[in-house]
Amino acid sequence: SQKIEQNSEALNIQEGKTATLTCNYTNYSPAYLQWYRQDPGRGPVFLLLIRENEKEKRKERLKVTFDTTLKQSLFHITASQPADSATYLCAPSGGGGNKLTFGTGTQLKVEL
Amino acid sequence: NAGVTQTPKFQVLKTGQSMTLQCAQDMNHNSMYWYRQDPGMGLRLIYYSASEGTTDKGEVPNGYNVSRLNKREFSLRLESAAPSQTSVYFCASSEGARDNQPQHFGDGTRLSIL
Repeated sequence: SQKIEQNSEALNIQEGKTATLTCNYTNYSPAYLQWYRQDPGRGPVFLLLIRENEKEKRKERLKVTFDTTLKQSLFHITASQPADSATYLCAPSGGGGNKLTFGTGTQLKVEL
Repeated sequence: NAGVTQTPKFQVLKTGQSMTLQCAQDMNHNSMYWYRQDPGMGLRLIYYSASEGTTDKGEVPNGYNVSRLNKREFSLRLESAAPSQTSVYFCASSEGARDNQPQHFGDGTRLSIL
């Protein structure tokens, strides 16, 4: 069965540093991979989508990579700020119907 | 714009009671989804509606029914609530059902079954 793994332990970094979050998947060959942000008590918010034929996608301080050989996506936040503290979810898709399968998420804490 | 609106925000039920969770979107989206989120398990798809008039099962449909009332509204019904259905329920919508469509989520309904 499809399996999506994200770091279950919280990631604590200092303000101004680059945060790197990992998403690994198995038994799956997604055509797309989406990243979402979720704040406590709120629904997920879409951040970025990357296609399988794209190696890298950028949006402001965010960068996503997609390595279909390693079956892995990396999500980077450069010049991190305390406001970036949240849980980040990855969600591969490609089976039709836009049905997303979500990882459990990684909690990021950016400290002053 | 409100985006995706879910009601109620909180609900406590007794085992065996029934309940309908409401969801409405004002973005003129064609596709809508219901997920549940449990600790340590991530979001799991319960049912989805690719377009008005169609519904299909997701990963965990047992114990639930859905109705796509019109293009804006997609409701989730628990006919006989069980403690295992205690969860946070999220409704989402997307412009279409192609796999490259971002989904827009409501802020959830927190449901406890005693």
